[in-house]
Amino acid sequence: GENVEQHPSTLSVQEGDSAVIKCTYSDSASNYFPWYKQELGKRPQLIIDIRSNVGEKKDQRIAVTLNKTAKHFSLHITETQPEDSAVYFCAASVSGAGSYQLTFGKGTKLSVIP
Amino acid sequence: EPEVTQTPSHQVTQMGQEVILRCVPISNHLYFYWYRQILGQKVEFLVSFYNNEISEKSEIFDDQFSVERPDGSNFTLKIRSTKLEDSAMYFCASSLGGQGRLFFGEGSRLTVL
Repeated sequence: GENVEQHPSTLSVQEGDSAVIKCTYSDSASNYFPWYKQELGKRPQLIIDIRSNVGEKKDQRIAVTLNKTAKHFSLHITETQPEDSAVYFCAASVSGAGSYQLTFGKGTKLSVIP
Repeated sequence: EPEVTQTPSHQVTQMGQEVILRCVPISNHLYFYWYRQILGQKVEFLVSFYNNEISEKSEIFDDQFSVERPDGSNFTLKIRSTKLEDSAMYFCASSLGGQGRLFFGEGSRLTVL
């Protein structure tokens, strides 16, 4: 089955700096890669996703890049703010009819220092 | 914005007892899921449900687990005889389509003593 590795496990950045979180996946058939943000005690919230027919996607301060050949994808947050502090999870999926099983990475705890 | 809702938010039970966790998915969504997260660990897939039947399940989802959509709005996860290792946060999720984005509920924290 799919295996997703995520690095680093913790990341501290100064407010205003950029943060990069990297994930690798094992199943070359995976074609959907979402990123979730989870604040303490709250639900995982989808912040951005990318499908395998696209190499990069941007949404304001957040961007995701995908390298299918190397089987890795990354989350980039620019101009970080204290409210970006949370645990970020990457995930991968082989989308198919009738289901959408996500395999998650172990998470990255991002701390943005004011 | 519509949300997935879950009850209870926290349940404490004795080992061997049955537990039912309830979820109300987003109303026009067709695919429903249960995931769990043991404290400090990653989110793990349990089961997906579509068209009133299980479409996929993981190795975690053994015979002690079952899911049901008893009416047009609720989606439940039953654990027949809880074990200590079932202690976790259980997240319900739903998506509009089988290749759509998953939206998670706030979770139900289960503590088995």
